[in-house]
Amino acid sequence: SQQGEEDPQALSIQEGENATMNCSYKTSINNLQWYRQNSGRGLVHLILIRSNEREKHSGRLRVTLDTSKKSSSLLITASRAADTASYFCATAMYNNNDMRFGAGTRLTVKP
Amino acid sequence: AAGVIQSPRHLIKEKRETATLKCYPIPRHDTVYWYQQGPGQDPQFLISFYEKMQSDKGSIPDRFSAQQFSDYHSELNMSSLELGDSALYFCASSPSPNQPQHFGDGTRLSIL
Repeated sequence: SQQGEEDPQALSIQEGENATMNCSYKTSINNLQWYRQNSGRGLVHLILIRSNEREKHSGRLRVTLDTSKKSSSLLITASRAADTASYFCATAMYNNNDMRFGAGTRLTVKP
Repeated sequence: AAGVIQSPRHLIKEKRETATLKCYPIPRHDTVYWYQQGPGQDPQFLISFYEKMQSDKGSIPDRFSAQQFSDYHSELNMSSLELGDSALYFCASSPSPNQPQHFGDGTRLSIL
């Protein structure tokens, strides 16, 4: 079964609004990562948050991690049309070299 | 900056044929990963290598095998291809395990 499950599956907002995507996972993790994928292209790493961290920022991105609830959220502030893409969370277990991806959220930002 | 290079970008095969996909990681990255992504699906981890040794195995069919060579490039060999093998195959590399992965643009494999 998949390690990470994301919601919503699809999100459509207007430019300038904030977008929040959530991810839940099932097992203990070493870290959780968020990736972005434009249609038919490779995934691009956005941010990594370790299991002992609760919040991390990178530009317009804010990621939170709640290990007690086994969940994470990605907030994109002041969204732009260029943010339109699929966003995946991925979890890496301790000492494992395999990363498990969630189902992804398809974000559409309308200009 | 150098990125992960995958070849070929597109590949068309027929059922029961074989295919070989190649991946050239970013220089000095010692970990390579392979993923399969079906249409509208999330990437599924297949297999990874650390310092040329297989390190983890995911949902890779027995018909598939992979290896990492002395120059750190990796190849995914696929035999007895089935229609369901049609997908995007991504390779990624990272400087070390559990670090952010850098993805190539993938090989789109179509089975007729």
